[in-house]
This record gives sequence, C-alpha cells and structure tokens, in this order.
Amino acid sequence: SQKIEQNSEALNIQEGKTATLTCNYTNYSPAYLQWYRQDPGRGPVFLLLIRENEKEKRKERLKVTFDTTLKQSLFHITASQPADSATYLCALDPRTTDSWGKLQFGAGTQVVVTP
Amino acid sequence: DTGVSQNPRHKITKRGQNVTFRCDPISEHNRLYWYRQTLGQGPEFLTYFQNEAQLEKSRLLSDRFSAERPKGSFSTLEIQRTEQGDSAMYLCASSMDRGNSPLHFGNGTRLTVT
Repeated sequence: SQKIEQNSEALNIQEGKTATLTCNYTNYSPAYLQWYRQDPGRGPVFLLLIRENEKEKRKERLKVTFDTTLKQSLFHITASQPADSATYLCALDPRTTDSWGKLQFGAGTQVVVTP
Repeated sequence: DTGVSQNPRHKITKRGQNVTFRCDPISEHNRLYWYRQTLGQGPEFLTYFQNEAQLEKSRLLSDRFSAERPKGSFSTLEIQRTEQGDSAMYLCASSMDRGNSPLHFGNGTRLTVT
C-alpha cells in the first residue's frame, strides 16, 4: 500500500539553528512533491514544490531536497525563528490517470522553535 | 482575491442530523477539492471537481456524503445522518488546472457531532 511517513515526534529546536524534517514514501512514483505549513486551526499553506528531476529547491530560508532513489525528501529551515513554529506537511501526487493535483499528505511534523 | 472562504467555521450537531458546508474558491481557479483532517493526521482526500464536473470520489466517502459544484463556482458538502466518527475538520482547496499547481486551502469547517 502507499505510505507517506513523516517524523511523528515534535522537533524542538533553538532559535537560529537549522531544522531538518524528513518525508519518506513507499509505492509512489511522484512527478513532484510539495511542502505545506499548517498553523493550529488554519488550513495548510503552500511553501515549496520540487519536481522529480530536481535535486534541490530553495526559497529564502527554506530548502527542499528530493531523492527519488531513496524515496525521500528533506525539508530544511535555516536560521530558524519562533515564528517558524508550526506543523509541516509533505504531499505527493500519486500520478495516476486524471489524478493531477489530487495530493496525498503525510501526517506532518510539528516544529517548535524556542528563543 | 480574498482566498478560499469556508462557512461555517464551526458546526456542532447531534448525531443523525444533516449538515451542509459551503466553500467559495479563488475565482479564477477551476479545480476544487474537499479534504478531511482529524487531530494529528494530515488532510485526507475526499473528492474534487474540475469546473462543475465531479471527477473523483475517495473510497472514504460513504453514501451519506455528497458534494456539488453547480455552476463551477462555489461548492457544498453535505453529510446526511451524521455519526460521531464524522467529527473532523473539513477543508476545501482550489487550484489552477495545471498538474503541479499548489493547493490554496481555506481555514476549514470544524464539525463536532455529539
């Protein structure tokens, strides 16, 4: 069966350090992978998309890598700030016929950045 | 562009009652999705529309659930004969009609069935 696994334990990190989150998947051949941020009581907000032929993508303090051989994506927040505290979700497109955009999500990893 | 709007934000209902939620997507988006999210889990896909056509429904969606998007604009999700297991956050999202378009989510409707 298809699975998307993210660290279930919260990641507690000190302000200024780099937070690294993992997303592992099985039985998918995604064309791309997306990362979202979700704050309590709010809907997810899109952060970054990386395609299967891209190794790395950056946006400001965020960096995403995508290894289709390992079936893994890493999400990095550099110089973390308390405002980065949230749950981060990875999402895959299962790439079946007519399923473009039907993303499937991992359970998310909560990040807590302390001053 | 005011983003995706969902109403109501919260709904408390008694078991066996019917409920209806509304989603207003971003106006130029022709794709609309419904997801359900429970505590500690990621959003689970329920169904999606391209314009007014409902293209896919998840096996999670029992016969008590029905969704419509009558004119390709707003959408409604109705749950009939609610059960306690239906308690969750119901999220709506919209996107452009491109394979890798990101989803723009609303802030959801939190349903509590007592």
